[in-house]
Amino acid sequence: TQLLEQSPQFLSIQEGENLTVYCNSSSVFSSLQWYRQEPGEGPVLLVTVVTGGEVKKLKRLTFQFGDARKDSSLHITAAQTGDTGLYLCAGVSGGYNKLIFGAGTRLAVHP
Amino acid sequence: ETGVTQTPRHLVMGMTNKKSLKCEQHLGHNAMYWYKQSAKKPLELMFVYSLEERVENNSVPSRFSPECPNSSHLFLHLHTLQPEDSALYLCASSQDAVGSNQPQHFGDGTRLSIL
Repeated sequence: TQLLEQSPQFLSIQEGENLTVYCNSSSVFSSLQWYRQEPGEGPVLLVTVVTGGEVKKLKRLTFQFGDARKDSSLHITAAQTGDTGLYLCAGVSGGYNKLIFGAGTRLAVHP
Repeated sequence: ETGVTQTPRHLVMGMTNKKSLKCEQHLGHNAMYWYKQSAKKPLELMFVYSLEERVENNSVPSRFSPECPNSSHLFLHLHTLQPEDSALYLCASSQDAVGSNQPQHFGDGTRLSIL
């Protein structure tokens, strides 16, 4: 069974701080996606990383895919209150675009 | 607005009731998905439909019965549910079900409570 472990589970920080969220697995994935989910809404895709070692930047968010395509990280620089939400990583597995989700990191950014 | 609409947004039902969840996508996608999101578990894939054909059933109990009458609509028929089935049920769509790196577009979910 493929599993994705996310850490930390919860993160409460002040505006302006930096943070990193980790997503680890013992399995290799063809690609990995990061989503953000806000209360009362469905997850929204932030980025897809495909190549081992790949780094993608989305404004203050930096995503990295591990060389072996088993792990990924999300780094947020100078967090803002608008970054508050549930961050989910999902590995793509199997022939039918099957997503294996991590349990998520719930981020709260306080002013 | 994600292009994926789910109704109802909230549903409370007894264990003996029969109800249906509806999902409609306006994106012209060929693949649709049902997920379950409960408080204590990661988001779990339930079913995958590709071009109206069910291609994945992730060991889901038979009290959940999906239906995909066309590529824009997906239903989840519910009967004789258990309290542990209370969860947020999310629908998603993607351009195709085959080939990796396909982003999935999620609806806002139906919050289901079983009494």
